[in-house]
Amino acid sequence: RKEVEQDPGPFNVPEGATVAFNCTYSNSASQSFFWYRQDCRKEPKLLMSVYSSGNEDGRFTAQLNRASQYISLLIRDSKLSDSATYLCAVNEESNYQLIWGAGTKLIIKP
Amino acid sequence: EAGVAQSPRYKIIEKRQSVAFWCNPISGHATLYWYQQILGQGPKLLIQFQNNGVVDDSQLPKDRFSAERLKGVDSTLKIQPAKLEDSAVYLCASSSRTGPSYNEQFFGPGTRLTVL
Repeated sequence: RKEVEQDPGPFNVPEGATVAFNCTYSNSASQSFFWYRQDCRKEPKLLMSVYSSGNEDGRFTAQLNRASQYISLLIRDSKLSDSATYLCAVNEESNYQLIWGAGTKLIIKP
Repeated sequence: EAGVAQSPRYKIIEKRQSVAFWCNPISGHATLYWYQQILGQGPKLLIQFQNNGVVDDSQLPKDRFSAERLKGVDSTLKIQPAKLEDSAVYLCASSSRTGPSYNEQFFGPGTRLTVL
């Protein structure tokens, strides 16, 4: 069974710190990867897409390690507003479906 | 650009009743997905449409769940009869399947269903 696994956390991090968490996937043929952010009682929102080795957007960096089959999300200078659950999704190229992890909960503390 | 629309936002029903959810995807998005999300879990795919055809409904409990997308645009998901374990958030998502972001899925606000 093709799976995506994440550490559920919660990660409790002081404001201003750097935090990183990983997502492992089992299908070595996967070509595209996504990080979504989900706030409490809200829908998932696309944070970053990764189609090659990585992607960077401001304080957020996603890195892909194909050899070890994981993607990471690094958040620098964390803000209180970064508190959320971060979902990892991996594309199944054959049918345009995403395989979802259960999410990592991040709590930024003042 | 308008996002994915869903209604209702909340629904409370008793077990064995029926319920229907509606979704209107982003304009021009050919692929539509219905997901079920239980607290603490990732979204679970129920059914995937490409235009008005079903691509995958292998995880749809067909004895009680049905879905349609008759004109290839908006879609409805129905549960009849509902069970207690159907209490969840039902999310609709769409994707374009074209261009460099063809795999990106965009979600509606979801319908929070409580079955009593």
